[in-house]
Amino acid sequence: DTAVSQTPKYLVTQMGNDKSIKCEQNLGHDTMYWYKQDSKKFLKIMFSYNNKELIINETVPNRFSPKSPDKAHLNLHINSLELGDSAVYFCASSRSSGGSSYEQYFGPGTRLTVT
Amino acid sequence: KNQVEQSPQSLIILEGKNCTLQCNYTVSPFSNLRWYKQDTGRGPVSLTIMTFSENTKSNGRYTATLDADTKQSSLHITASQLSDSASYICVVSEGGGATNKLIFGTGTLLAVQP
Repeated sequence: DTAVSQTPKYLVTQMGNDKSIKCEQNLGHDTMYWYKQDSKKFLKIMFSYNNKELIINETVPNRFSPKSPDKAHLNLHINSLELGDSAVYFCASSRSSGGSSYEQYFGPGTRLTVT
Repeated sequence: KNQVEQSPQSLIILEGKNCTLQCNYTVSPFSNLRWYKQDTGRGPVSLTIMTFSENTKSNGRYTATLDADTKQSSLHITASQLSDSASYICVVSEGGGATNKLIFGTGTLLAVQP
């Protein structure tokens, strides 16, 4: 009965590699998000998709490319990984994106370590 | 620049005691303010969401207040339990647009000791 799930939970890789993180929600939500939480535990939004369309794209290196095959999935692909990409990445979803008070439900996070 | 600041950074209290966490924000336009609880190794979980017109909201032993004039919020935890040990994050949603962009505070790390 997991609401928002992410795989993998842990990812250790070397600099220069390409990796993907997958996210799925079974809540029937229209909007999904990717957040990055750095070593100081500060969460910052990276991307948001509403019904498979990109609606928020923060200042993120273009090595990061989100892909939404359908509204229940939002995957994050990272090219040419760098040491500074090490962080915990959270996926989240909500009913709507439009200026609302809808609650965002977060996944368990993926801890990415780049060596 | 839209910011959310929290205090204290960390707090240690004894089980059964009350505590209050503070949040100041400069986010404009304002849509709503949320408090999240994040256990170690897990994603944040929503505790309360308050809009501009709400100045208090409770969720069990958690009570949040909002003063939209001074742009301050607090989260009061009553009769703390060991399971309350977590990071508490104040989050403000930017309003006025087509998106629900959240601005996160840096969190207050609470440790409840027996």
